[in-house]
Amino acid sequence: EVQLVESGGSLVQPGGSLRLSCAASGFTLSSYNMNWVRQAPGKGLEWVSYITSSATTVYYADSVKGRFTISRDNAKNSLYLQMNSLRAEDTAVYYCARDMGFGVIFDYWGQGALVTVSS
Amino acid sequence: EIVLTQSPATLSLSPGERATLSCRASQSVSTYLAWYQQKPGQAPRLVIYDASNRATGIPARFSGSGSGTDFTLTISSLEPEDFAVYYCQQRSNWPPLTFGGGTKVEIK
Repeated sequence: EVQLVESGGSLVQPGGSLRLSCAASGFTLSSYNMNWVRQAPGKGLEWVSYITSSATTVYYADSVKGRFTISRDNAKNSLYLQMNSLRAEDTAVYYCARDMGFGVIFDYWGQGALVTVSS
Repeated sequence: EIVLTQSPATLSLSPGERATLSCRASQSVSTYLAWYQQKPGQAPRLVIYDASNRATGIPARFSGSGSGTDFTLTISSLEPEDFAVYYCQQRSNWPPLTFGGGTKVEIK
């Protein structure tokens, strides 16, 4: 069974940093491109970042470019999102999502990790 | 950036009725459009990909159609578990990947 489990969400002050992790099981992580998608409270979905299976290519939404870094460790079956210079508008549930394999279609999602940026 | 506009924002229907949800793109996305279902407190779930292909485990009452800029998600006869928010997403021209604002299907 494919499972994605996020961790690392918490309350952080504006300007602070946080690292989210996503543990993958039930499939070979090294064969799939991965993404982070977020959802602010009561709002819609916003794509955040993408990384290819071998980490050779990464993309970011303009709203997080220069502040967030996506990475992965296929040997540890894990995906990461390093978030720096956090702002109130980064407050959201962050989901890791698997790319289906022939295009950026999110076929499996984690349960989400809540990040709250507030003083 | 491709903007996806979903309508209506809210659809109030009774179980057994037909639901028709619309997603319009600001420029052609060919058939590179997906639909997701999200229930309160849960992660989104893939329903339809590439405009008309049902994802694994999705019942046949869900169907998708369209190409270019206009797309439709149809639920032929609403079951109680279908009441949720539905989002469309394009992968034609990215980054950025973009989602529509969502349509809430609520019980009338």
